[in-house]
Amino acid sequence: EDQVTQSPEALRLQEGESSSLNCSYTVSGLRGLFWYRQDPGKGPEFLFTLYSAGEEKEKERLKATLTKKESFLHITAPKPEDSATYLCAVQAGFQKLVFGTGTRLLVSP
Amino acid sequence: ETGVTQSPTHLIKTRGQQVTLRCSSQSGHNTVSWYQQALGQGPQFIFQYYREEENGRGNFPPRFSGLQFPNYSSELNVNALELDDSALYLCASSLAQGGGAHIQYFGAGTRLSVL
Repeated sequence: EDQVTQSPEALRLQEGESSSLNCSYTVSGLRGLFWYRQDPGKGPEFLFTLYSAGEEKEKERLKATLTKKESFLHITAPKPEDSATYLCAVQAGFQKLVFGTGTRLLVSP
Repeated sequence: ETGVTQSPTHLIKTRGQQVTLRCSSQSGHNTVSWYQQALGQGPQFIFQYYREEENGRGNFPPRFSGLQFPNYSSELNVNALELDDSALYLCASSLAQGGGAHIQYFGAGTRLSVL
């Protein structure tokens, strides 16, 4: 059964304090790994797709990396507006996404 | 390019009632997926429609059903509502081309409360 585990569940950072979020997965036949950002009461907002081990993608202060067993979302010099829940999901077989429970990030000024 | 829109934004129902949620896909997309997100959890896959046909289903009972229309908009119907059906219901659209992974774009969701 496809499974995604995210850690930590919650993370509190000071503005400018860099850190990483982890996403471990088990899936048969990975087609893609996705990172989404979700603000309270809103739908997930697409950030990145990674397709194969060794791939990296960057967007502003965020950088996503992928290995055969896990993905990291690195946040460099975060700002308060980066506060949100970050969701990781894998896609295998047809187009179903399997999500983790997310990491709640709070960045204090 | 219009995004994914869902209606209504909030809904309150009582146990045993039926509900219909609506979703308008992003322009040019041919696939719609529905997810249920309980508080503090990640979204759980309900089912997916591709060109008006169901293309896969998660572990949800038959009282959860759906439709996709020729314009690729979609409905999620839930019969005999239970208290545990209270959640955020998310619709996501994507463009299926070939066998690779397709980015799913989500709407803002419908918050359903069952009393």
